[in-house]
Amino acid sequence: AQSVTQPDIHITVSEGASLELRCNYSYGATPYLFWYVQSPGQGLQLLLKYFSGDTLVQGIKGFEAEFKRSQSSFNLRKPSVHWSDAAEYFCAVSHPPGGRRALTFGSGTRLQVQP
Amino acid sequence: NAGVMQNPRHLVRRRGQEARLRCSPVKGHSHVYWYRQLPEEGLKFMVYLQKENIIDESGMPKERFSAEFPKEGPSILRIQQVVRGDSAAYFCASSPTGTEATNEKLFFGSGTQLSVL
Repeated sequence: AQSVTQPDIHITVSEGASLELRCNYSYGATPYLFWYVQSPGQGLQLLLKYFSGDTLVQGIKGFEAEFKRSQSSFNLRKPSVHWSDAAEYFCAVSHPPGGRRALTFGSGTRLQVQP
Repeated sequence: NAGVMQNPRHLVRRRGQEARLRCSPVKGHSHVYWYRQLPEEGLKFMVYLQKENIIDESGMPKERFSAEFPKEGPSILRIQQVVRGDSAAYFCASSPTGTEATNEKLFFGSGTQLSVL
């Protein structure tokens, strides 16, 4: 069965510092890959997704993610974090790609931003 | 994702009572997914419905839980005889119809927080 691992439960960074959130997936084939953000009391908002092609994907709010097949990873990055980025971030996969099978989510990484 | 409406935002029930959670998808969407988020965990898929049909309920507990998405009106997730372990945030997501109806185009609601006393 496919699985998604986010090794970091909680990360704290200073405002203006760079950020990298880790995500590893376990599956034989390359699934579709997503990053979502959840602000307190809110639903999930899609930051970016990877289906195929260029392994560096640009998303909203200045986020990007890089797919590395050899490492089965899809890490999320941002060069300079803003206080408003404090939220919970979820990596997710879907398989079969494009099918109606639901998303499988990681357990999330809670980001705290220090002034 | 502002288009998916869930109510109530918060629902408190005592053990043994019934909980009914409502989800109105984005206008024109006929595909609805329900997810459950336990504390400190990611979202777990429960059920996928199209209008008047349950397509995939592999993530739904076999007992006490049911879901429907009628031709008219919102999708309903119903939990009978709730227990404390049912306390969680329940999220609904919808996707558009036709050939674009894939899970890569999900719009999420803000969720219903169910608390069982």
